Amino acid sequence: ETGVTQTPRHLVMGMTNKKSLKCEQHLGHNAMYWYKQSAKKPLELMFVYSLEERVENNSVPSRFSPECPNSSHLFLHLHTLQPEDSALYLCASSQESPTREKLFFGSGTQLSVL
Amino acid sequence: SQQGEEDPQALSIQEGENATMNCSYKTSINNLQWYRQNSGRGLVHLILIRSNEREKHSGRLRVTLDTSKKSSSLLITASRAADTASYFCATVNTGNQFYFGTGTSLTVIP
Repeated sequence: ETGVTQTPRHLVMGMTNKKSLKCEQHLGHNAMYWYKQSAKKPLELMFVYSLEERVENNSVPSRFSPECPNSSHLFLHLHTLQPEDSALYLCASSQESPTREKLFFGSGTQLSVL
Repeated sequence: SQQGEEDPQALSIQEGENATMNCSYKTSINNLQWYRQNSGRGLVHLILIRSNEREKHSGRLRVTLDTSKKSSSLLITASRAADTASYFCATVNTGNQFYFGTGTSLTVIP
């Protein structure tokens, strides 16, 4: 295990549902990330939190809403998603330093939007 | 696009052979990293090489970096069936941003 735990592992939701993805890291890191992975595409960075403040938001639609209540927990709240949002959502953490180095990933949540 | 691009997209080899994957990128970097991903799982960090380094080893892994050509290669020696996975390069640019490529899918046939 990498020390980063994501729940749930699989999620099926309708376009009108509201659900949340949860990520917890046990590594003492101070930065956390949400990535989206779709088939045949590079990993897409969605959000970065450093010291619990959102430092990057890569033009993600407002139907995705992140929350970072403390340095160990990260949520991604989902509402009124579209079928094209179906993907593997990966959480990662790292220790911020002058240069970002190693990312530790969770196992991901496989999301299907019907 | 600033993402790295891996080459080839897919590679199939016999167990015991060496596997070589290449990565090209476009911007100046602080470091370049290689990750491995088993199907439907998260990525696992394999090795990091800094911009002032040219070669690095870790077990059966050998990474080279040529900053003049903006390219890197990952060599896995004496491959095993358990090495079957997707391999991604990631660059961290001078703005401290991570960029991942689309990956190389490696199949090692027992």
